[in-house]
Amino acid sequence: EAQVTQNPRYLITVTGKKLTVTCSQNMNHEYMSWYRQDPGLGLRQIYYSMNVEVTDKGDVPEGYKVSRKEKRNFPLILESPSPNQTSLYFCASRATGYSGHYGYTFGSGTRLTVV
Amino acid sequence: AQKVTQAQTEISVVEKEDVTLDCVYETRDTTYYLFWYKQPPSGELVFLIRRNSFDEQNEISGRYSWNFQKSTSSFNFTITASQVVDSAVYFCALSESTQGGSEKLVFGKGTKLTVNP
Repeated sequence: EAQVTQNPRYLITVTGKKLTVTCSQNMNHEYMSWYRQDPGLGLRQIYYSMNVEVTDKGDVPEGYKVSRKEKRNFPLILESPSPNQTSLYFCASRATGYSGHYGYTFGSGTRLTVV
Repeated sequence: AQKVTQAQTEISVVEKEDVTLDCVYETRDTTYYLFWYKQPPSGELVFLIRRNSFDEQNEISGRYSWNFQKSTSSFNFTITASQVVDSAVYFCALSESTQGGSEKLVFGKGTKLTVNP
């Protein structure tokens, strides 16, 4: 089944403790992206990657890092999480050049709480 | 810069009423894509429709229909004979797709639809 898999689904952590949210897709998509969703603000893009070793900042990159060493994986790294990073996070992917009938495929989301 | 505006923050209707969710977008590109996603209380994002900038035909899928008008930069979504299961947050999104270039998907802030029995 074609899908984007995020882990974990839920995470509670403490301020300053480094964490990684994983994202993996099995569709051989070039483009991958991370979003955070906050009440009243909708979804905002954190980082995106056009292909392996090609990443760029979105609208709200502060406090986050990403890497794209393999095509299928695009982990989101919080080196020193803070409470303002408490949010619902989504990973998405799509093929570049032709987005196909379904456009972007989203993961199921990761609900992160930083205390 | 890209921008998507969903002016209706919350809408409440009674079952079987028709409801239209508004979406207005801004872009400088001539090639772009518009999307609608549904987010039910469970939280996942469910794809509803994709429309490219060269296809202004309206689309109907069951009780759902979409009206794309480039002249007013709008991509409105209508649910006919609404049902309780339609209760969700609906997002409109805009993607500027540049071959080999950067790409960005921008979301509106969403419209929360509540359908009461």
